[in-house]
Amino acid sequence: DTEVTQTPKHLVMGMTNKKSLKCEQHMGHRAMYWYKQKAKKPPELMFVYSYEKLSINESVPSRFSPECPNSSLLNLHLHALQPEDSALYLCASSQEGWPGRETQYFGPGTRLLVL
Amino acid sequence: SQQGEEDPQALSIQEGENATMNCSYKTSINNLQWYRQNSGRGLVHLILIRSNEREKHSGRLRVTLDTSKKSSSLLITASRAADTASYFCATDVSGANSKLTFGKGITLSVRP
Repeated sequence: DTEVTQTPKHLVMGMTNKKSLKCEQHMGHRAMYWYKQKAKKPPELMFVYSYEKLSINESVPSRFSPECPNSSLLNLHLHALQPEDSALYLCASSQEGWPGRETQYFGPGTRLLVL
Repeated sequence: SQQGEEDPQALSIQEGENATMNCSYKTSINNLQWYRQNSGRGLVHLILIRSNEREKHSGRLRVTLDTSKKSSSLLITASRAADTASYFCATDVSGANSKLTFGKGITLSVRP
């Protein structure tokens, strides 16, 4: 199984809502990532979990809260988002936990719209 | 900040032609990767080339790396309409706490 799955595919939320994005992989990968991608822009790294521990936080606002319950699952909890947070949120994983040195496998993304 | 810069930003070719995309970067790297993204979807890994390698092939793809010029090229031969996508180079900067940094991307359109 070489697939990274993400749910939901689409999400519309108000600025006072709390929602969560979910990501799952069953490839035995030890690193998982959250990226944010605005239209016609490259993906921007948000968080990296390596061996279930947060190893990189790219100065992301606290209204985004990552969680790694186990080595196969990665969540992104959203609270009090702003309209400018509307974007495609991509999850990825890689095998050994070396974020920059390995192939990353991406999920299809969650398209988020904040009203 | 972006490490890689692709050139051109957009490319339109006829099916069957070859497509060449270039990526330049600023600082020393451990490796360089190319990814493809179809509209609004996740990225797909194409090729990883390490700093001590000069050329790699994968099917219709050929990637070169010139560390002295800090540049890489991706060649897609005999292009197909299905190759229409955005292509990103991504670099891993040498040093501790490495991460993958993506360039701005190239939009390739292959006309049937």
